[in-house]
Amino acid sequence: NAGVTQTPKFRVLKTGQSMTLLCAQDMNHEYMYWYRQDPGMGLRLIHYSVGEGTTAKGEVPDGYNVSRLKKQNFLLGLESAAPSQTSVYFCASNELAGAIREQFFGPGTRLTVL
Amino acid sequence: SQQGEEDPQALSIQEGENATMNCSYKTSINNLQWYRQNSGRGLVHLILIRSNEREKHSGRLRVTLDTSKKSSSLLITASRAADTASYFCATSKETSGSRLTFGEGTQLTVNP
Repeated sequence: NAGVTQTPKFRVLKTGQSMTLLCAQDMNHEYMYWYRQDPGMGLRLIHYSVGEGTTAKGEVPDGYNVSRLKKQNFLLGLESAAPSQTSVYFCASNELAGAIREQFFGPGTRLTVL
Repeated sequence: SQQGEEDPQALSIQEGENATMNCSYKTSINNLQWYRQNSGRGLVHLILIRSNEREKHSGRLRVTLDTSKKSSSLLITASRAADTASYFCATSKETSGSRLTFGEGTQLTVNP
């Protein structure tokens, strides 16, 4: 199993450009998440999904949109990138279960907005 | 706002010593988890402790939880250079689903 993968690994954008980050998981997990991590800080939740076709806002959703058209994929979109969105983006997933489960993380996408 | 605050922000020890990291949080929780992040990598789950548990062990890891003080500690015994990483606590308030709120992390350096 590849686990959680993210595409691309690195990207440089100019202010105002748009892009989509792709997260894929092959563990048949119901829940998927997008986080951002800024220097010296922990992760902050941007958006999450509790199943195919559903999405919800996290702690810092402004400037981002998401879609979960297929269970295994969770897309994060930036419609008009801003320098404040320079960050490392992590995707995570976990399974639906009665008990709380750990999250599995992808390797991250390093985004720079000039 | 960050639910968890970790202490210390950075810790440097010698191989073989024990490392203790602390995490405090503000609101009631269902469970608390510890994750590790090597430089430039994603996070890896280490251990989960539920609100009705006080202590858990996993190999060289020992986690305690004091819900009355809203705090947790992670102890790594007999540290190794390979333990060098950032360590994050994360809390969940939910009994199902598992949105996590992360602390700012402790950077641990283990010198050979």
